[in-house]
Amino acid sequence: EPEVTQTPSHQVTQMGQEVILRCVPISNHLYFYWYRQILGQKVEFLVSFYNNEISEKSEIFDDQFSVERPDGSNFTLKIRSTKLEDSAMYFCASSARQGSNEKLFFGSGTQLSVL
Amino acid sequence: ELKVEQNPLFLSMQEGKNYTIYCNYSTTSDRLYWYRQDPGKSLESLFVLLSNGAVKQEGRLMASLDTKARLSTLHITAAVHDLSATYFCAVARSGTYKYIFGTGTRLKVLA
Repeated sequence: EPEVTQTPSHQVTQMGQEVILRCVPISNHLYFYWYRQILGQKVEFLVSFYNNEISEKSEIFDDQFSVERPDGSNFTLKIRSTKLEDSAMYFCASSARQGSNEKLFFGSGTQLSVL
Repeated sequence: ELKVEQNPLFLSMQEGKNYTIYCNYSTTSDRLYWYRQDPGKSLESLFVLLSNGAVKQEGRLMASLDTKARLSTLHITAAVHDLSATYFCAVARSGTYKYIFGTGTRLKVLA
């Protein structure tokens, strides 16, 4: 079964450093998302992306965050200057469409630890 | 602001018992999802509920939706240990695809 692939599975970085989290969505999917989950807490929406632009974003997704689909297969989340509170599990998701019956497929996540 | 609340937050139950998890949301939505998450793992889609009165069943899990009450339930029948996981509901407001997740219900089924 097709799946969303995320790399790396774990990322440790120093506060203030830039990180790029990578995702390969399911190949025929057109809509892409990033969510995050701080340990033991609920899953939070960050951003949705379609047709090479952001569709929606949350208040968490400030100027330190950006997304890109550089080559037609990868979908990346960049955090320019990481903060301690950015430590979380980051999930990429994709869907084939945004009709009423669409289902999001989630990747296995990247655990980001900011020291 | 759309808010989604689940209860209970924690549920410990014996194998073979039945129980229900509740998901309340605060504003109009045209779809509601249930997801399962095993520890350290990703989110697995269980059900999507689109209309008032919708009921879906898979194995020992059955989900229903009452849009007038803004309530969904996930009913567990004759629980088994393999159902131990965290269950999330997620709601998207009509016309948007930004999912708002509930707080999650951590289910532990005891042998």
